[in-house]
Amino acid sequence: DIQLTQSPSFLSASVGDRVTIYCRASQGISNNVAWYQQKQEKAPDLLIYAASTLQSGVPPRFSGSGSGTEFTLTISSLQPDDFATYYCQQYDTYSGYTFGQGTKVEIK
Amino acid sequence: QVQLQESGPGLVKPSQTLSLTCTVSGGSINNDYWSWIRLHPQRGLEWIGYILDDGRTYYSPSLRSRVTMSRDTSKNQFSLKLNSVTAADTAIYYCARDACTRCYHPFYFYMDVWGKGTTVTVSS
Repeated sequence: DIQLTQSPSFLSASVGDRVTIYCRASQGISNNVAWYQQKQEKAPDLLIYAASTLQSGVPPRFSGSGSGTEFTLTISSLQPDDFATYYCQQYDTYSGYTFGQGTKVEIK
Repeated sequence: QVQLQESGPGLVKPSQTLSLTCTVSGGSINNDYWSWIRLHPQRGLEWIGYILDDGRTYYSPSLRSRVTMSRDTSKNQFSLKLNSVTAADTAIYYCARDACTRCYHPFYFYMDVWGKGTTVTVSS
């Protein structure tokens, strides 16, 4: 099974900060990564798919990059609405979807 | 605009079967793939399985022995049954629509529309 490891697990930041979240895959997965934002226990919102494609309606301060085993989600200037938990996700034919363990972004 | 809504009992006794339904509006379950996912307290998101546009199903290897998914095209609904539940199955359960950037093997899937979720507690 392909495992996804996110870092850090917790991140404390201020409004206006540039924030980067990392996601490492246990084996190469091309650009088959999506990123989600979840506030409290509400439905996750899709932010990025295919590693770097911004979902329609998502603010451009969010960006994704990476390929193979290393992926990043960057928030260029953190806004009050961005304090949430972020998950990376991959899909493979044999075991289905896998999520990272999540990164909680908190207010400093 | 596609919307999804989960429904079902919020409390299930240990060893019994958890049953949930997802009602789709603004789209047809015959046109896409549809997943069930759950959020465990302290453990994050876990994919349970999906049902394809033709009714075929694929389940997470870790839950395959206990999961059954089905659909009712006349009601535009799909359902989840998880049997022999324990406290470890206490979670928020979500349904979602699957989308793909590569829609042939090897598939590249992600989930673009989610329901609001329903909390299921397993307790006697």
